[in-house]
Amino acid sequence: KAGVTQTPRYLIKTRGQQVTLSCSPISGHRSVSWYQQTPGQGLQFLFEYFSETQRNKGNFPGRFSGRQFSNSRSEMNVSTLELGDSALYLCASSWNRDTDTQYFGPGTRLTVL
Amino acid sequence: AQKITQTQPGMFVQEKEAVTLDCTYDTSDPSYGLFWYKQPSSGEMIFLIYQGSYDQQNATEGRYSLNFQKARKSANLVISASQLGDSAMYFCAMRGISGSARQLTFGSGTQLTVLP
Repeated sequence: KAGVTQTPRYLIKTRGQQVTLSCSPISGHRSVSWYQQTPGQGLQFLFEYFSETQRNKGNFPGRFSGRQFSNSRSEMNVSTLELGDSALYLCASSWNRDTDTQYFGPGTRLTVL
Repeated sequence: AQKITQTQPGMFVQEKEAVTLDCTYDTSDPSYGLFWYKQPSSGEMIFLIYQGSYDQQNATEGRYSLNFQKARKSANLVISASQLGDSAMYFCAMRGISGSARQLTFGSGTQLTVLP
C-alpha cells in the first residue's frame, strides 16, 4: 500500500506570494491533518479534515487555509506569504479521527525569500 | 489542553546498547493514545510505536518498546541494541478523543546519536 505523498517536495517563494501544497493520503484513510514544523516553534497543528469538512483548526492566521476533496486528497493554501512561513509542512493521514495512528508524508519544505 | 514534555534535548548511546528516551504527558481526556515518531535528517516523520491509554500491557514493536506508567503519566521509549541508523530526532506525541485533543500534540523532541 502506498504511503502518504506530498507535492511539491521543495518550494521557494517570495514574500507576498501565495502557495498551494498537496497531500494524498494512504488509500482508505479519511482523516488528513496538516502540521508546520520550524526550528523555533517545533511541530504545530494547522488543521484537520475529515469527510471534506474541516474538523479542527490550530492557532494560525486566516492566511492559512485548506480543503479536502471527495477522494480524501487535501490541499493547503498560504496567502500573502511572510518570511516566518518558511517551514517544513507535514501532512498526515489516519483511518478515522480518534486515537488512530497518523502516518506522515515526506513533507514540503517551503522557503520564503 | 494536552501537553507533552521531553526533557532530554540530546542523547548519546553506544552502538548495540539500549537507550531510554523520556516522555511525560498531561491530559484531561479519559481516553488517549501515545505515539513515538522518528524523524531522520531527511525530514519524514516515521511512526514507531503506539500505546493506548487502556492497554494493560506495554507496547512492543521489534527493537522498540514503550514503558507506559499511567499513574506517573510517563511513556518512555526504549530502543534495544542501538544501530547507527537509529541516529535521528525522536518525538513523543499524544492524541485524545475530545475536541481539540483530537490533534496530535508533540513534545520538543530528543536528538539521539548512536556512536560506533
